[in-house]
Amino acid sequence: EADIYQTPRYLVIGTGKKITLECSQTMGHDKMYWYQQDPGMELHLIHYSYGVNSTEKGDLSSESTVSRIRTEHFPLTLESARPSHTSQYLCASSESGRGGRGETQYFGPGTRLLVL
Amino acid sequence: QKEVEQDPGPLSVPEGAIVSLNCTYSNSAFQYFMWYRQYSRKGPELLMYTYSSGNKEDGRFTAQVDKSSKYISVFIRDSQPSDSATYLCAMNRNNAGNMLTFGGGTRLMVKP
Repeated sequence: EADIYQTPRYLVIGTGKKITLECSQTMGHDKMYWYQQDPGMELHLIHYSYGVNSTEKGDLSSESTVSRIRTEHFPLTLESARPSHTSQYLCASSESGRGGRGETQYFGPGTRLLVL
Repeated sequence: QKEVEQDPGPLSVPEGAIVSLNCTYSNSAFQYFMWYRQYSRKGPELLMYTYSSGNKEDGRFTAQVDKSSKYISVFIRDSQPSDSATYLCAMNRNNAGNMLTFGGGTRLMVKP
């Protein structure tokens, strides 16, 4: 069973505010990911990390930034929220593996963000 | 053209029906194949996992991979209303560093 947590679950905030979405996992996974998903739409990878002090941008351009100071923690920050940032943000993690279930990603419950 | 194609549905079936969901893909390098189930407003949860070609069964679920046709499917037997969700296929290459390529998802509705 995956143990990956996201807070807050829901956030309504005004334009221009700085926000941080939290993601933590207790599985000791090296790799962590952030996806953006609009209702009924595909998952889009926006950031990923292969370990502490490692962060990379994903396929979808995003104005957000991430940090990975601790293995278990991978927060996502928006310096100045805009209505176009309204979406669901999903965090995931996976274990470095040579095959088997190590190739799979485990997802958190998501944060639904509404920027007014 | 997308690397992974999946019919978005919605697919509506009566309770007890056998459901078949599938994905096609274009990249022959994909080796690992997964199915995720996503309930509304929740994160995806891993449902089935297979490596290379073949079948895998887990309870009411059976996953099939046909690499020669670049086609994967999952079958749900005795479908229940609680199976109503969006089903996402995902896959990756052997040396892709766990980067998954997702299908767009198929929305399934099982009616009592």
